[in-house]
Amino acid sequence: AQKVTQAQTEISVVEKEDVTLDCVYETRDTTYYLFWYKQPPSGELVFLIRRNSFDEQNEISGRYSWNFQKSTSSFNFTITASQVVDSAVYFCALSEEETSYDKVIFGPGTSLSVIP
Amino acid sequence: DAGVTQSPTHLIKTRGQQVTLRCSPKSGHDTVSWYQQALGQGPQFIFQYYEEEERQRGNFPDRFSGHQFPNYSSELNVNALLLGDSALYLCASSLMRGGNYEQYFGPGTRLTVT
Repeated sequence: AQKVTQAQTEISVVEKEDVTLDCVYETRDTTYYLFWYKQPPSGELVFLIRRNSFDEQNEISGRYSWNFQKSTSSFNFTITASQVVDSAVYFCALSEEETSYDKVIFGPGTSLSVIP
Repeated sequence: DAGVTQSPTHLIKTRGQQVTLRCSPKSGHDTVSWYQQALGQGPQFIFQYYEEEERQRGNFPDRFSGHQFPNYSSELNVNALLLGDSALYLCASSLMRGGNYEQYFGPGTRLTVT
């Protein structure tokens, strides 16, 4: 069973539109971390956010915001007023205390294309 | 402060050969993990090294082995290369300190097996 599901394989939006990337995770651990990474065409994974399972506060960082809901096991990512530079593959990921925080389980990724 | 560095950047090998990839962790980090990312997929955990020992392993065959040195740097070795080993290999270093955990990924080594 996939532990991290990103149902959207590809999304295309027009510049300045808002876009939400969905992430649903599965774990029996009570202590875990959730992540979002951006991977531009260059290939390097760019860390965006890490959220501890005990912190359900939503977070906003500039045009980025994250909605963490334990009740639905979701950790969605919204980009407001998208820009062409946001075009990349975005990965949601999970690591669990029980198996080691270093064993990060990645979702399949969502490829975002922002069209000028 | 240098982040995680990896070498080489790109590598081309022939099926059946052996390859060694290298990783230097972020300063102060003591744990190194390796990931394989095939084209169009998310990274897959290979293994983790801490205190010069393999602590965790993902679902990879014994052809994949590693080493961690006293300075925390690490090597990933792959023997008897297969075409399917072509991928981006990512190294991540991490540290658990005072209840806070941080992990950073390197830029990766792109391995092509022909």
